[in-house]
Amino acid sequence: EPEVTQTPSHQVTQMGQEVILRCVPISNHLYFYWYRQILGQKVEFLVSFYNNEISEKSEIFDDQFSVERPDGSNFTLKIRSTKLEDSAMYFCARGEAFFGQGTRLTVV
Amino acid sequence: QKEVEQNSGPLSVPEGAIASLNCTYSDRGSQSFFWYRQYSGKSPELIMSIYSNGDKEDGRFTAQLNKASQYVSLLIRDSQPSDSATYLCALRRAAGNKLTFGGGTRVLVKP
Repeated sequence: EPEVTQTPSHQVTQMGQEVILRCVPISNHLYFYWYRQILGQKVEFLVSFYNNEISEKSEIFDDQFSVERPDGSNFTLKIRSTKLEDSAMYFCARGEAFFGQGTRLTVV
Repeated sequence: QKEVEQNSGPLSVPEGAIASLNCTYSDRGSQSFFWYRQYSGKSPELIMSIYSNGDKEDGRFTAQLNKASQYVSLLIRDSQPSDSATYLCALRRAAGNKLTFGGGTRVLVKP
């Protein structure tokens, strides 16, 4: 069983729509992260979560993005008003060792 | 200057040979260094972590770190076709900090 599970595995959305990506870590950890990887490019840091609060966020993580831990275990990454350039793989990670399988977001 | 720099490759290696991958970085405050393997369309998979100068061996993999020269390398011995993937170098300043990734080196192991 994977340490971190992400859903959905693939999401297609129209430009301007809101999407919610979900991450379920198997066990608890102090640090959780969201990264993204645009096709053919490097993995980029978005935001980190420490002790249920945002501890660090990148320049990419602007007002369009938000993260929540609605029930104390699952994590969600919400992207409001999606743009074409938001198309990427989004990875949730527990610490540095465990990455989820990713959600491929395609904005059309 | 890029924060983490890797040769994009592809690095073509005959089966059974040694693959040598290099990574240089600019942030002298970096304390922890990681090598990941990423198959196409998949998530990064941690292979090695290294924190101190010198060599660290794990099976067919050896990581080398030289903080003075700001480089970290990965050797893959007895390369197998299943090692064909993109290898990502990543670093962080301190525990809990974000990972900063390089662009990755694509490795092709030919039978």
